[in-house]
Amino acid sequence: EAQVTQNPRYLITVTGKKLTVTCSQNMNHEYMSWYRQDPGLGLRQIYYSMNVEVTDKGDVPEGYKVSRKEKRNFPLILESPSPNQTSLYFCASTRGEGASEQYFGPGTRLTVT
Amino acid sequence: DAKTTQPNSMESNEEEPVHLPCNHSTISGTDYIHWYRQLPSQGPEYVIHGLTSNVNNRMASLAIAEDRKSSTLILHRATLRDAAVYYCILRLMDSNYQLIWGAGTKLIIKP
Repeated sequence: EAQVTQNPRYLITVTGKKLTVTCSQNMNHEYMSWYRQDPGLGLRQIYYSMNVEVTDKGDVPEGYKVSRKEKRNFPLILESPSPNQTSLYFCASTRGEGASEQYFGPGTRLTVT
Repeated sequence: DAKTTQPNSMESNEEEPVHLPCNHSTISGTDYIHWYRQLPSQGPEYVIHGLTSNVNNRMASLAIAEDRKSSTLILHRATLRDAAVYYCILRLMDSNYQLIWGAGTKLIIKP
């Protein structure tokens, strides 16, 4: 089954404790993205990757890092999480830059205290 | 800056058509209009997209105004499973295909 998976689905952590949210897709997609979703703000793009070893900032990259060492995986790293990063995070993938349909993962709900 | 504006919520009766409006007056000539929906506790799901012409697929229809400053997503016969938040989005073809999301319309279906 074609899918995007994220782990963990739920995470509660404390300020400053480094964490990684994993994202994996099994569709051989080139383009992957991370979004955060906050009430009333829709989805905002954090980072995206157009292919292996190619990443770029989205709208709200501050406080986040990503890597794309292999095509299927696109982890999101919070080196020093802060409470304002409490949010619902989605990973997404699509065939290529101009391709229409993005496939989204189920989301990771992160709480930073 | 590119932006979309949608009503916060709409109600409709089951098995009736639903018209979800979206304003995008700042759209540029190459931006695509996308619609996604998000069911409770799930990630967003692609619905439809278009550029200038009206579009139909198995899920919905998209009607785009002639000046492209607005569009309407049409669900021809809403069911209870269509209750979701519907997002009108601009895909910026001149900006690394970035998706600019609106705040969404919560669609409530009454049985």
